[in-house]
Amino acid sequence: VLTQSPATLSLSPGERATLSCRASQSVKTYLAWYQQKPGQAPRLLIYDASRRATGIPARFSGSGSGTDFTLTITSLEPEDFAVYYCQQRTQWYTFGQGTKLDI
Amino acid sequence: EVQLVQSGTEVKKAGESLKISCKGSGYSFSRYWIGWVRQTPGRGLEWMGITYPDDSDIRYSPTFQGHVTISADKYITTAYLQWSSLKASDTAMYYCVRVDPDGSAFDFWGQGTMVSVSS
Repeated sequence: VLTQSPATLSLSPGERATLSCRASQSVKTYLAWYQQKPGQAPRLLIYDASRRATGIPARFSGSGSGTDFTLTITSLEPEDFAVYYCQQRTQWYTFGQGTKLDI
Repeated sequence: EVQLVQSGTEVKKAGESLKISCKGSGYSFSRYWIGWVRQTPGRGLEWMGITYPDDSDIRYSPTFQGHVTISADKYITTAYLQWSSLKASDTAMYYCVRVDPDGSAFDFWGQGTMVSVSS
């Protein structure tokens, strides 16, 4: 089970966002992060806990291993306000319930 | 450019059958796992299963095993998700996803197919 916190994060453009994802047991570094905007499919941001997917801006970074993971957005742009999901792959794939990043 | 293009919105009645599709292009379709993810307001994102088009190997989530059938036709680079008897609880958005080479994440997503099932 993946638990994301907080459920909602209210920040302003230019601020730093820190999103958390905790696994109920170790997933090593098999952890990915996705961004989903209204009416769109999720988009892969980070895989293997800390590797940015192709085309993802450097302001997005991921860290962690084992059970505790963090997605950091260093300076929020207006287009970053969305819902963020973490996802793990051990035996199967599961997702967290999401964090909504609000202006 | 990798693209996954899904079939359109479906409105069905409970008990009916359905098959939705996802056409891949811009990459070697046979050599990547491809699968499906369900999204609902109540349960969020749920992985349903994946298939490897080159040899038709299929892996199902225990949650969906027996309730849906996943397949792919490598010759027309298309993946499918089908139901033999829909339930109202199958109402959801369904996304086709490509699994990355390491098998750890879904690196490309289709635009989604909305399925609405009335009882």
